[in-house]
Amino acid sequence: QVQLVESGGGVVRPGRSLRLSCAASGFIFNNYAVHWVRQAPGKGLEWVAVMSSDGHKEYYADSVKGRFTVSRDNSKNTLYLQMNSLRVEDMAVYFCARMPGTYWDSWGQGTLVTVSS
Amino acid sequence: SYVLTQPPSVSVAPGLTASITCGGNNIGSKSVHWYQQKPGQAPVAVVYDDHKRPSGIPERFSGSNSGNTATLTVSRVEAGDEADYYCQVWDGSTYHYVFGTGTKLTVL
Repeated sequence: QVQLVESGGGVVRPGRSLRLSCAASGFIFNNYAVHWVRQAPGKGLEWVAVMSSDGHKEYYADSVKGRFTVSRDNSKNTLYLQMNSLRVEDMAVYFCARMPGTYWDSWGQGTLVTVSS
Repeated sequence: SYVLTQPPSVSVAPGLTASITCGGNNIGSKSVHWYQQKPGQAPVAVVYDDHKRPSGIPERFSGSNSGNTATLTVSRVEAGDEADYYCQVWDGSTYHYVFGTGTKLTVL
């Protein structure tokens, strides 16, 4: 079955960097766009970034553009999110989610990023 | 940027019908998707493309979209439907994916 597993979360000081990973299984990874979506503690959902299935296009929310970079390694069935210059407001659970068409049909369980001094 | 507005909370007794609205400028021209999220869990799509249901979602969940308002309707509400619900659209002018503010559905 379709499975997405995030990893790489943890505690980091403001201004530092962190890289998240999303390992996919149960489907042909390079046929799908996969997104990052986050949720700050007690808050709503916020779309973060997406990389196209072929890795040629990437798009970002204004709140992370210029600081975060999404990438994928289709040979490893893995999506990444490189997060630089982290801010307190980046603290959230980060989910990866698959989009086969117009909506997200499968989500990981998320990885928590805590930004604190 | 495109904004989607939802009521913070909706309460309904078991067996009755709950309606959750999602307001946005000319949202009727966009495809709206709805996600259910229970505490500590990842979101799950319950309606996509305005009114379609993913496999495994009960027929009690339905959606509509017209003008400036999209609506998720949950019929014959059950205790297990208690969750946060988010509407979502794709804003083609910015290539951004936008979520609504979220609605907490409480089953009395």
